[in-house]
Amino acid sequence: AQSVTQPDIHITVSEGASLELRCNYSYGATPYLFWYVQSPGQGLQLLLKYFSGDTLVQGIKGFEAEFKRSQSSFNLRKPSVHWSDAAEYFCAVGARTGNQFYFGTGTSLTVIP
Amino acid sequence: KAGVTQTPRYLIKTRGQQVTLSCSPISGHRSVSWYQQTPGQGLQFLFEYFSETQRNKGNFPGRFSGRQFSNSRSEMNVSTLELGDSALYLCASSLRTSGGNEQFFGPGTRLTVL
Repeated sequence: AQSVTQPDIHITVSEGASLELRCNYSYGATPYLFWYVQSPGQGLQLLLKYFSGDTLVQGIKGFEAEFKRSQSSFNLRKPSVHWSDAAEYFCAVGARTGNQFYFGTGTSLTVIP
Repeated sequence: KAGVTQTPRYLIKTRGQQVTLSCSPISGHRSVSWYQQTPGQGLQFLFEYFSETQRNKGNFPGRFSGRQFSNSRSEMNVSTLELGDSALYLCASSLRTSGGNEQFFGPGTRLTVL
């Protein structure tokens, strides 16, 4: 069965510090992988996606993620966090056919000045 | 290009009532998917419509239904509302229904069932 696990419910980091958000997935084939961000009262915005090829993908707002097949992981990273990055982050697996996404439960990020 | 719009943004209903939510996708997008977001369950897929046909369906009871019109606008209906249906309902649009497409999300409709 398809599933996505985000082990960290809430993370607090200081502004300027590095960030890593964890994501593990279970899927029967090579998945399509996505990271979305949700600010309060907003919909979800795509940060980056992985379909195939280079396992290190770059996204918007300085985010990157690395696909590790052996660990079934797709962790999100940012070298220096800004206060505006405070939000909820969702990892998702996309089905190979159709647009059904399986989302993790999200990680809430707080940024301390 | 205008983004995905959802109306209304907020709804308050009582148990047993029914509700209809509307979603207008990005111009040119033919796929519309619906998700339910709750604090306990996170984001759960309801269904996807493409070219007025339901293509995929999540694990929700038959009280949840939808449809898509020829202009790709979609509606979602929930009948006989229950307290547990209180949630943020998100609509997402995409160009195609093949896998791996980026989905663009609307701001959601916040439904409160009293």
